Amino acid sequence: AQSVAQPEDQVNVAEGNPLTVKCTYSVSGNPYLFWYVQYPNRGLQFLLKYITGDNLVKGSYGFEAEFNKSQTSFHLKKPSALVSDSALYFCAVRDDTGRRALTFGSGTRLQVQP
Amino acid sequence: DARVTQTPRHKVTEMGQEVTMRCQPILGHNTVFWYRQTMMQGLELLAYFRNRAPLDDSGMPKDRFSAEMPDATLATLKIQPSEPRDSAVYFCASGSYPGGTSGGNEQFFGPGTRLTVL
Repeated sequence: AQSVAQPEDQVNVAEGNPLTVKCTYSVSGNPYLFWYVQYPNRGLQFLLKYITGDNLVKGSYGFEAEFNKSQTSFHLKKPSALVSDSALYFCAVRDDTGRRALTFGSGTRLQVQP
Repeated sequence: DARVTQTPRHKVTEMGQEVTMRCQPILGHNTVFWYRQTMMQGLELLAYFRNRAPLDDSGMPKDRFSAEMPDATLATLKIQPSEPRDSAVYFCASGSYPGGTSGGNEQFFGPGTRLTVL
C-alpha cells in the first residue's frame, strides 16, 4: 500500500518569509514523489518531482523540495513567499513499479499575507 | 500548448438524471485518470485506463458510475442515476507511462467539471 500525509490543513506565512509545506509518505520500494499546486477553480498543476539522484529538487516558480529517505519526508519549500503563492498544495507518491496510480495527500492550503 | 480538455466545465442537473462528462487527453499519452474532489473527501481516484484498458476502477461506485475510453482521444465518465452526493468537481488527468521507469512521469490535469446535482 502507499499513502501520503500532509499534517497541516493550512499554513500561514508573511510575504517575503520562507515557507515550508510538510509531507510524509509510505510506500513499498522506492518512491516517486510529486508536488502539485491548485489555484481556485483550476485543475492541479505539476510543480516538481523526485525520482532519483539529488535529494534537493528544484521546480517551478522558485519552489524546491527536499527528499529525506530516513524520515520518509518530502517537504516543499520556498525561500521567499509571494502573495501569489497562496493556493492549495498536494503531495503525491507512487512506488517505482509503475503499476499504481499516484496517491495524493489531503492538501495544504497556503495563505501568504501581504 | 498541449493540454487536457474536459467538457462540460459546469453541469447542474436534477437527481435521477444521467450525467456524462468527457475528457480529451493529451495526444500521445497512454494513461487516463478520473478523480473526484470534494471538500469532505479531498481528491479521490475513481478509475484509470492504460492504452484504453481499465486498470483500476475500485474507487468508483459501480452501481451508478461507469468509465470508458471509446478511442485514444476520448474518455467518458457517466453517472446514472445521479444523486446529490455526487456533487463534486471531477478531474481528468493524462500521462505517458510506456513502461520501465516511466512511473516517474507526471500527470497533467484538466480544468475539471463542476457537477451539481439538485
